[in-house]
Amino acid sequence: GENVEQHPSTLSVQEGDSAVIKCTYSDSASNYFPWYKQELGKGPQLIIDIRSNVGEKKDQRIAVTLNKTAKHFSLHITETQPEDSAVYFCAASPSSGSARQLTFGSGTQLTVLP
Amino acid sequence: EADIYQTPRYLVIGTGKKITLECSQTMGHDKMYWYQQDPGMELHLIHYSYGVNSTEKGDLSSESTVSRIRTEHFPLTLESARPSHTSQYLCASSNRGAQQETQYFGPGTRLLVL
Repeated sequence: GENVEQHPSTLSVQEGDSAVIKCTYSDSASNYFPWYKQELGKGPQLIIDIRSNVGEKKDQRIAVTLNKTAKHFSLHITETQPEDSAVYFCAASPSSGSARQLTFGSGTQLTVLP
Repeated sequence: EADIYQTPRYLVIGTGKKITLECSQTMGHDKMYWYQQDPGMELHLIHYSYGVNSTEKGDLSSESTVSRIRTEHFPLTLESARPSHTSQYLCASSNRGAQQETQYFGPGTRLLVL
């Protein structure tokens, strides 16, 4: 089955700096890669996703890149703000029809220091 | 914002008690999931359902059981709670269709078994 590894487990950045979180996956059939943000006391919320037919996607200060050959994808947050502090999860989904749908990484605790 | 609800949000209960964690979604989604989230942040899939009368066990072995009698409702039951069941439980749902991989999470139930 799919295995997703996420690094780093914790990340501290100064406000205004950029943050990068990286994930690798094992199943070459995976074709959908969402990123979730979990704030304290809440459930994970989808913030951006990318499909295997594109290499990069951007939404304001957030971007995701995908390298299918190397089987890795990354989340980039620019101009970080204190409200970006949260736990971030990457995930990968194999081709449609899979029972489980998503395999999650182990999470990254991002702290933005004022 | 996703329309998926979990009750109770917090529960403190003694060992040996039977408990049911409620999860409801108003999006008409076919697929629903239960995750257990440990203090180290990682999400572990414990149950999922394709639709009414369909339930499957996930990656992490769990003493809990689930039922899916109605599309919108996916309760999780522990017949006899133990301190080892202390955790956060997250419910999620996804649709069958073009965006079938995207899972939407509820706010979670934090369970403490004394």
